[in-house]
This record gives sequence, structure tokens and C-alpha cells, in this order.
Amino acid sequence: AQSVTQLDSQVPVFEEAPVELRCNYSSSVSVYLFWYVQYPNQGLQLLLKYLSGSTLVKGINGFEAEFNKSQTSFHLRKPSVHISDTAEYFCAVSELDDYKLSFGAGTTVTVRA
Amino acid sequence: DVKVTQSSRYLVKRTGEKVFLECVQDMDHENMFWYRQDPGLGLRLIYFSYDVKMKEKGDIPEGYSVSREKKERFSLILESASTNQTSMYLCASSLQGGGANVLTFGAGSRLTVL
Repeated sequence: AQSVTQLDSQVPVFEEAPVELRCNYSSSVSVYLFWYVQYPNQGLQLLLKYLSGSTLVKGINGFEAEFNKSQTSFHLRKPSVHISDTAEYFCAVSELDDYKLSFGAGTTVTVRA
Repeated sequence: DVKVTQSSRYLVKRTGEKVFLECVQDMDHENMFWYRQDPGLGLRLIYFSYDVKMKEKGDIPEGYSVSREKKERFSLILESASTNQTSMYLCASSLQGGGANVLTFGAGSRLTVL
């Protein structure tokens, strides 16, 4: 079975500064990787996903993530954040052909002016 | 856009009551899921269904049951609510098949059990 660890529970950051959210996973087989975002009082929506191919994945709103198989990591980055990026971010993993998606505990990003 | 609608945003129930949480999706998705979201624990899978009348236990099924009589509707049932079931419940759906599919989530149902 797979599991996900998000290394930071809270990340405060100033507007226009870069941000990195760290995610590590464990699995004995090949996986698909996802980042979802939850804005206040809303459900989750997909930011980006890695299925195969290039290890650098670009998503919506200027976010990108890099899959590192040897480090079993899938860290999320944005070079310059906005106030509107204040949200909770979830890393998730599924094994090939498995219906189940396992989520990390989440990282709350608070962007300050 | 796929829309997943959860019938109640906020519910307050008493210990021992039977609770129904309803979820409807409008894009003919095969798979439907119920997750529970708690601070510091992320999302944990309660049950999922990959076809009508089919259901599979997730990671924390105890105290819950589900029903999927129609493709578009997936209900979560708390037979006898307890205070430790106070939580945010999220319904999601995805296209047929396995792990590569993106989940579309509803806005959530916040349940308080007194």
C-alpha cells in the first residue's frame, strides 16, 4: 500500500516570494502523483498530475512540480505567489490500476502582503 | 464541467441518530468516493464504488455504510452517529478505470454530532 508524507503543515510566505511544498511518498510499485488545492470553503480541485514522461510537470496558476523517482518525492513550487494562492494543498498518490487515491495531511499556505 | 453536488453543506445531529449524506454527479462517471477530512490527517477514504450496486471498503469504513442504486448517486450512511464522526465529508467522482483518473470533488458536508 502507498502512503504520502507532506513535510510541512504550515507555510507562511510573503506576496511575490517563491514557495516550495514538499511531498514524499512510499510505494513498492509504479505510481501516479497529484497535487490538489482547496481554497477556503471549497472542495478540492486538481493543480497538476504526473502520469509518465517528463519529470517536470506544469499545472494551473503558475505551479509546477518535479517527480524524483530516486528520492520518491514530488515537490510543488511556484516562483512568485499571490494573495489568492492562500489555500490548503494536498499531495496524493495512486498505484497503477488502483482506484484508491491516498492523500497527505495537507500543507496550509498563507500568503501575506 | 463535471459537477458533484452534496445535498447538505452543514448538518447537526445527535448521538445515535441515523444520518444520510447524499452525493450526485452529472457527467456519467463510473467511480464515486466518500472521503473524510480532518485537520492534520488529510483525506481518508471511507468507501468507494466503481459501478452501480458495487462498493468497496476504503481505509476507515467502520461505522459507515454506502448505497449506490443509480449511477449518478452515492449515499453515505451513518447508522448510529457518534461524536467521533464529527468531520468534513467530501464526495468525489472519476471516469472509469483506475489510478490515472482525476477526482472531481463536491464542496463538502460538515457534520457535527452532539
